Parts: sequence; structure tokens; C-alpha cells
Amino acid sequence: GAGVSQSPSNKVTEKGKDVELRCDPISGHTALYWYRQSLGQGLEFLIYFQGNSAPDKSGLPSDRFSAERTGGSVSTLTIQRTQQEDSAVYLCASSLTFGSGTRLTVV
Amino acid sequence: DAKTTQPTSMDCAEGRAANLPCNHSTISGNEYVYWYRQIHSQGPQYIIHGLKNNETNEMASLIITEDRKSSTLILPHATLRDTAVYYCIVSLRGLMDSSYKLIFGSGTRLLVRP
Repeated sequence: GAGVSQSPSNKVTEKGKDVELRCDPISGHTALYWYRQSLGQGLEFLIYFQGNSAPDKSGLPSDRFSAERTGGSVSTLTIQRTQQEDSAVYLCASSLTFGSGTRLTVV
Repeated sequence: DAKTTQPTSMDCAEGRAANLPCNHSTISGNEYVYWYRQIHSQGPQYIIHGLKNNETNEMASLIITEDRKSSTLILPHATLRDTAVYYCIVSLRGLMDSSYKLIFGSGTRLLVRP
């Protein structure tokens, strides 16, 4: 597609469950970034992928968070054993373009 | 990445130019200045970026001082839809698909008044 697609757009999950968030980047872009934004806060960098290089995971807040990018295209951000403080909008960027995000609510 | 300083909030009248300042006094010679904005409940939107020359596109103009320690984003004819948080970021990232992350600060909340 022409833009960055993220799914689902909204996700409500129970505390302790695992969630997977998906990002479809712009075709041909080798750089992919994940950020999160808590309510009323700025964007917090989580992780980025650049081609076949090892990802920069320096922003991941805990070992419950992981991400992978298969075939240099689609990326999945996984949060294990979700906590209420994980509630936020998770944004994916393909080069300079951001998606609309996934709003995660942990209840 | 160098830090930036922006006013917390600004306002301007609809139809007038909005001039958003940004200080980046510790910018290094190969760091670019990026501007993004975020309209409520949407993902950040890229506006413009530059290294040392002034830049203009269909959305805005970017004026970078000669010493590169500050810049101004200019929205020439602000509309109500330009109400958003505007982020000024400096980064080594200079190519469309290069591998340096953008670190967002708190930005400037611009309110365009009718």
C-alpha cells in the first residue's frame, strides 16, 4: 500500500495476557521503527530495524517486549504478560512515515 | 543526538503565518533538523527537514540560522487544521531510509485561533 499499515487499530487485553501488534511498512523501505506514546505524553523510542543489520533494541522497556521483522518487511511487536502500564498507542514508522498506531488498553 | 528546546505552547490567528522556533545549540555538523507534527489522535506527520540551507515544500518553510544553532518552522498561512503539537528533532539521519532513530521531545503545542 501507499502508507504504513498497523493492526489492530485498537486492542483491549486482560492483564497478564500476551499481545502481538503488526506493522506493514511501505514497500521497499528497509528502515522500520517502533515507538509508543502514553496518554498525554511524547513519543518513546522502542526499537528499530535496518535491513539485515542487528536491530537497535535500546528503547525496549523490559524483557517482556520483543519485536521481529520477517523477510525485511512486516514487523511484529510482542508484549508478554501485559501490565496496565503497557497501555499506550504503539506507533510504527517506515523511514519518515508513521502509521496511525495501535491503541492498546490493558484492563 | 543533540537536544532541542522549544516553547511549550504558541498560538496564532488563522490566515497568519505561524513561526515556530527551535534551539539546538549543541547540534553537530552532520546532524539534520527535522520537523514533525502530531494532530490529536493521529500518528506523527513528517513536515520538512534540512541540514544548513533553508528548505521549502508544500507544507512549510524551514529557516536555519547560519551557525545552525537554531531554526524556525514557518507555516505561511495557518489554518485551524494546523492546530497540533510540533516537534523539532536533530538527528544524524539524513537519507530517506538511513538508520538513525529520531528522538522526540515534548514539542510545541500550536493553537490556531479562528
